[in-house]
Amino acid sequence: DSGVTQTPKHLITATGQRVTLRCSPRSGDLSVYWYQQSLDQGLQFLIQYYNGEERAKGNILERFSAQQFPDLHSELNLSSLELGDSALYFCASSAPGGANVLTFGAGSRLTVL
Amino acid sequence: AQSVTQPDIHITVSEGASLELRCNYSYGATPYLFWYVQSPGQGLQLLLKYFSGDTLVQGIKGFEAEFKRSQSSFNLRKPSVHWSDAAEYFCAVGVGGSTLGRLYFGRGTQLTVWP
Repeated sequence: DSGVTQTPKHLITATGQRVTLRCSPRSGDLSVYWYQQSLDQGLQFLIQYYNGEERAKGNILERFSAQQFPDLHSELNLSSLELGDSALYFCASSAPGGANVLTFGAGSRLTVL
Repeated sequence: AQSVTQPDIHITVSEGASLELRCNYSYGATPYLFWYVQSPGQGLQLLLKYFSGDTLVQGIKGFEAEFKRSQSSFNLRKPSVHWSDAAEYFCAVGVGGSTLGRLYFGRGTQLTVWP
């Protein structure tokens, strides 16, 4: 157990729908990162939050959004889902001053039918 | 732009044999370098990291990696592979500044271990 908790582990939904993925970082970590892992693109950085503020944005689609709450958990919202959004979505966290040392959760596998 | 290349998509070795997984990166300055391992159905586990100093770094599970600036490489090695090492291995480069924490990953190398 890495200490980073992601729910749900698996999710099956239909095209056009909206889903929310949740992440609880390790205790004491202030940064949360979201990554997408797909066969086509590999591991792609989506977005980073630090203590509630957006810190960096990567290849995140406009249909996707995220936020980090005061208790530091984060949610990734995926809307108007397409078949190509099927992927494994990872959350990771790092400690203050953790200099890129990310601890990953087990991931949420999204299947869009 | 930053990029990471893992030239070997799939490697097969016999248990007890030595292992070297290759990684090349492209980045203008000295990067932070990482190796992660992903077992089926699992998240990514950090094996080792290089930030500065000694270019040979030791990690968990008996792995080591060597940073070679002249070759822009950070190859992962293990002297004797165990069946439990079968997994997918990812090399990553991290950049500092305002994007602290953002990692660029290679496409991964799948390791199969024959008994």
